[in-house]
Amino acid sequence: KNEVEQSPQNLTAQEGEFITINCSYSVGISALHWLQQHPGGGIVSLFMLSSGKKKHGRLIATINIQEKHSSLHITASHPRDSAVYICAVKEGGSNYKLTFGKGTLLTVNP
Amino acid sequence: NAGVTQTPKFRILKIGQSMTLQCAQDMNHNYMYWYRQDPGMGLKLIYYSVGAGITDKGEVPNGYNVSRSTTEDFPLRLELAAPSQTSVYFCASSWEGYEQYFGPGTRLTVT
Repeated sequence: KNEVEQSPQNLTAQEGEFITINCSYSVGISALHWLQQHPGGGIVSLFMLSSGKKKHGRLIATINIQEKHSSLHITASHPRDSAVYICAVKEGGSNYKLTFGKGTLLTVNP
Repeated sequence: NAGVTQTPKFRILKIGQSMTLQCAQDMNHNYMYWYRQDPGMGLKLIYYSVGAGITDKGEVPNGYNVSRSTTEDFPLRLELAAPSQTSVYFCASSWEGYEQYFGPGTRLTVT
């Protein structure tokens, strides 16, 4: 069973700061997802990646398959980025099963 | 496209009551999923379906049942509700095993 650990659990930043959220997992995977959940809101998929790096606007996701580690970066953070960020991994050999981390609560103050 | 829709948004049940959580998607996705999210825990898979007529258990299926008679709909049935089923329930869909699209969630309280 894959263990997915996220750090930090909680993160408070000032507007404009560079944010990094980390995700590590214990067993080899075929893909890793980063998801965003606003308070009381639904869940939105930000990235799905299996190697290298992806960028969308101010968000950047990287993955190191050898080290079983991924990071989500937010540049020039804004209060609207305040949300829970969730890492989920899909194990090799499974076409559907995701194992989710517990999430990182990010609060960006103006 | 409406994406993935869920009803109801909120529900309070008494212990022993039954109910059905509705989920529908209009993206012609073949895979659909039901998850529950408990405070401080990661999402857990309850049931999933890879196409109409095909369903299978996930990680925490006890106390729940599903059916998938059409591509679009994937209802979740709770029989004999228990306080341990108090949670937020999310339905999701995907094309094959790619990016999953989530519904807005149903907040269920069993008292």
